Parts: sequence; structure tokens; C-alpha cells
Amino acid sequence: TQLLEQSPQFLSIQEGENLTVYCNSSSVFSSLQWYRQEPGEGPVLLVTVVTGGEVKKLKRLTFQFGDARKDSSLHITAAQPGDTGLYLCAGSGGSYIPTFGRGTSLIVHP
Amino acid sequence: ETGVTQSPTHLIKTRGQQVTLRCSSQSGHNTVSWYQQALGQGPQFIFQYYREEENGRGNFPPRFSGLQFPNYSSELNVNALELDDSALYLCASSRQDKNTGELFFGEGSRLTVL
Repeated sequence: TQLLEQSPQFLSIQEGENLTVYCNSSSVFSSLQWYRQEPGEGPVLLVTVVTGGEVKKLKRLTFQFGDARKDSSLHITAAQPGDTGLYLCAGSGGSYIPTFGRGTSLIVHP
Repeated sequence: ETGVTQSPTHLIKTRGQQVTLRCSSQSGHNTVSWYQQALGQGPQFIFQYYREEENGRGNFPPRFSGLQFPNYSSELNVNALELDDSALYLCASSRQDKNTGELFFGEGSRLTVL
């Protein structure tokens, strides 16, 4: 079983601050996804990374896949209240059945 | 494009009862995965269905079972409910030929077992 550790578990910041969320494993992944989940809803896919060292940007969000494809980070620039939610990373091996981390709960205060 | 829909959205059962949850996959998707998400946790993989057969299973007991129908919709059945089965049950659809691990989730079914 591939285990994914996410840190920090909780993050409470003011609007305009920057933050980074980490996703780490001892396993190598064929692909890794980041999702955002709001209360009472299912996770929504943000991005997929597949190549070691890959960097993808989605507006104020920057995603990086580690060179060894064992870890990933999500950086948010100038956070806004609309960024509030649970951020989940999920990694897949050869079977492409994803294993999820526990998530980072982010609250951005106006 | 129709997204993933799940029913019911909320339900309450008592210990020992049985429950059936339903999921319609996103149009164009032929694979359905079910996840259990307990409060404060990430989703845990239950099983995946492709071509009406179980295509992978997580660490869940046999009282968790499923079906996939020819139209790719799916059911999750849980027998002999236990208190710890209280959770959000998420259905996700995907395309088997597009092996990226990307999942498209419904809003979930919130099950409370009393």
C-alpha cells in the first residue's frame, strides 16, 4: 500500500498571504493529482503531474512534482477566502488506482 | 456533459441494517470507483468497477459489495452496518483507456449509522 503524508494538516492564514502544502511518500508514482474539496461536496480535480520535476501553474496555484516522483508541493500565492477548503493529494502506481493523503485543511480569513 | 451523480445525498440507518448507494458516471466514462471518507480523513479506496466486473479492491470486508451496470452506473451495497461505517461515500468515474489516475467525483452520500 502506498502511503501519502500531507503537511501541514491544518493551516489558518490571512488573505494575501502565501502558503505551501506538501505531499510525501516513500513510493514512486506514475502520476499524482491534487484535488480541492469543500464541505459537503466531492473532491474536484485541480491538476495532474506525471513527469519528475514537472511544474504546473493554475492561476495563483503552482504545483511541483519531485524529481524522483515521490513527493509534490502546492504553493498558493496571495491566498483568497475562496481558496478555503481541504486540499488532497493522490498518487497512482502501475494500476492507476489512486491512494489519497489525509488532506490539508486551509482556512483563509478576509 | 453530465457529471457524476449520487443518491441518496443523506441517509440514516441503524446497526445491522443494509444500505444501497447509487452512482451515475460522467458521460463518456466507463470506470467507477468507490471511496469511503470518514470525518477528518482522506478518501479510502473501496473498489473499482470496469466492464461490470470488480477491477481492484481496497482493504474492506466482504460485506461491502458492488455492481456495475451496462450503462456504467454503479451501486455500493453494505450489509450488517456498523457504527464505524458512518462516513461520506464518494463515487468517482474515469476512462479506463486514459490511464492517468484522474477521478471525477460526485457530491457523495452521507451515511449515518446509529
